[in-house]
Amino acid sequence: GQQLNQSPQSMFIQEGEDVSMNCTSSSIFNTWLWYKQDPGEGPVLLIALYKAGELTSNGRLTAQFGITRKDSFLNISASIPSDVGIYFCAGQSWSGNQFYFGTGTSLTVIP
Amino acid sequence: GAVVSQHPSWVICKSGTSVKIECRSLDFQATTMFWYRQFPKQSLMLMATSNEGSKATYEQGVEKDKFLINHASLTLSTLTVTSAHPEDSSFYICSARVSRGNYGYTFGSGTRLTVV
Repeated sequence: GQQLNQSPQSMFIQEGEDVSMNCTSSSIFNTWLWYKQDPGEGPVLLIALYKAGELTSNGRLTAQFGITRKDSFLNISASIPSDVGIYFCAGQSWSGNQFYFGTGTSLTVIP
Repeated sequence: GAVVSQHPSWVICKSGTSVKIECRSLDFQATTMFWYRQFPKQSLMLMATSNEGSKATYEQGVEKDKFLINHASLTLSTLTVTSAHPEDSSFYICSARVSRGNYGYTFGSGTRLTVV
């Protein structure tokens, strides 16, 4: 299946720092989702984006749907230890019903 | 709301045996469920799309005779790994589209399959 390019692959940051990650695709998507996955668990939805240019926040998390429809960004402000996990973007194209996932960003927060 | 219950959470089986994984939508009807496979430190790879009352749609490279999917009701989809081999060991996750509230897709908690 299709896979999206997500970067960075991993991040090690100090508690309190801000985090940015992005996801790019060669195809145009009409929906972008951001998930967090803890070890041994299924992904949990963080933010959903439906329109190009849309900027949506969920607490300390902010995500944007890129104008080109081929990318999306996730920012985490003032990171805390419980932010540790793997973050995945997921995109849905106009023609498809299913979502395809990014390669993931592993986040480690150092207290 | 919008909970998908997946069982078992982990299973160990011998080579050659079959394993069934269940996913149930607890408080909504899921006409479509998706099955993903995830290897350690890798992303989720879509295996197949399961539609209630019809045949599943498999992604390229996924053997439909090996990974049998049944979606007999609006709240239950099953994935059976037939004649399992060690290379089938992986984390399998189902998800269903939630058509109300926050939208998006909700995931089961995953099944860790180990074939010995």
